[in-house]
Amino acid sequence: QKEVEQDPGPLSVPEGAIVSLNCTYSNSAFQYFMWYRQYSRKGPELLMYTYSSGNKEDGRFTAQVDKSSKYISLFIRDSQPSDSATYLCAMTLLEGNNRKLIWGLGTSLAVNP
Amino acid sequence: DAGVTQSPTHLIKTRGQQVTLRCSPKSGHDTVSWYQQALGQGPQFIFQYYEEEERQRGNFPDRFSGHQFPNYSSELNVNALLLGDSALYLCASSSNTGELFFGEGSRLTVL
Repeated sequence: QKEVEQDPGPLSVPEGAIVSLNCTYSNSAFQYFMWYRQYSRKGPELLMYTYSSGNKEDGRFTAQVDKSSKYISLFIRDSQPSDSATYLCAMTLLEGNNRKLIWGLGTSLAVNP
Repeated sequence: DAGVTQSPTHLIKTRGQQVTLRCSPKSGHDTVSWYQQALGQGPQFIFQYYEEEERQRGNFPDRFSGHQFPNYSSELNVNALLLGDSALYLCASSSNTGELFFGEGSRLTVL
């Protein structure tokens, strides 16, 4: 079992739809949870950064963390064609003095006008 | 704030050659990490530099080496290039909060 599981999609939705992206994880020691957006042939862009269970909202984006169930979600409201990208979840844990970052494989999202 | 900057953006090399990629971290960041990302895959951790020393290393051979300078900028060197080294090489910088900010990457093609 991989430490972080993420459905690669592709996910295709109409413009204006609510998008739900999810990752599950197996290691309860993960402390920080991130969502990145990556456009084709570009570097990942940090969208959301959370460390506690609950919801964090930033504009059209909401990150949700449920540590008891070991899953995280990213919700996109009123999705736009410009949201079409690959969304990667990532999470960190401390190993001694070092932070280890584990990535999901990414979910490909297409928002159709 | 210029964010994380990488150079060159694209380059083509042949098998057996050597390549050096460069990265300037986001202002205020002292830690630089390098990742390799093949098409359709998530980033794979190569190594991380802090205070001019390699602090962590992923599962990459010794052909991959790096350096961090006193101004926190960093280089990634790859020797004896293989076809399989063709990828997007990403540099990310962070501070003690742990948030990683990425550059646009250097796309390496090995022929």
